[in-house]
Amino acid sequence: QVHFVQSGAEVKKPGASVKVSCKAAGDTFTNYFLHWVRQAPGQGGLEWMGWVNSNTGSTNYAQRFQGRVTMTRDSSISTVYMELSSLTSDDTAVYYCTRDCGGDCSDAFDFWGQGTTVTVSS
Amino acid sequence: EIVLTQSPATLSLSPGERATLSCRASQSISSYLAWYQQKPGQAPRLLIYGASSRATGIPARFSGSGSGTDFTLTISSLEPEDFALYYCQQRGTWPTFGGGTKVEIK
Repeated sequence: QVHFVQSGAEVKKPGASVKVSCKAAGDTFTNYFLHWVRQAPGQGGLEWMGWVNSNTGSTNYAQRFQGRVTMTRDSSISTVYMELSSLTSDDTAVYYCTRDCGGDCSDAFDFWGQGTTVTVSS
Repeated sequence: EIVLTQSPATLSLSPGERATLSCRASQSISSYLAWYQQKPGQAPRLLIYGASSRATGIPARFSGSGSGTDFTLTISSLEPEDFALYYCQQRGTWPTFGGGTKVEIK
């Protein structure tokens, strides 16, 4: 079964960019849709940001992040990345990568990374 | 955007009691509804997919029902480890999550 390990916590200044990685282990990396979901501090609500396909590199972003988020993958090391630019304090959150299980479970998100805390502060 | 409204925001119950959580969608989503459990400091865990199918390893006390716009997650008899946050999610082209229901110990 697949297991995702994310990169460590980040502290960034307003206006900067952050790049979070998510490495898959324990299963083949082929043809996943890997999504990014974030959660505001104190167990705020969950917000979907978009997905990247591990095979093709194709992407689909939530409208509110269009132009500010870039999701990529490096299949050679079974890793996907999420880069968010022009950071503000509103981007302070825990960022999760998660796998879309496709037809196996009606496109729900079955495996999750441990989360990466991004803090934006001057 | 499809909005999911969860109720109640907080449910105060005792171990052994039955918990009934509601999720209402702003438009029909067929059965593309999932439920997740989240505990402090942990990632969400998939409980139910396709509105009523239990994910691998999920105990039988968890059940889901509904279709269209109205969905329910039922925990038949609360165990101590079930006190947590619960989110519903619709899995259309643009996924969204409900605001969550906190199940707390009374």
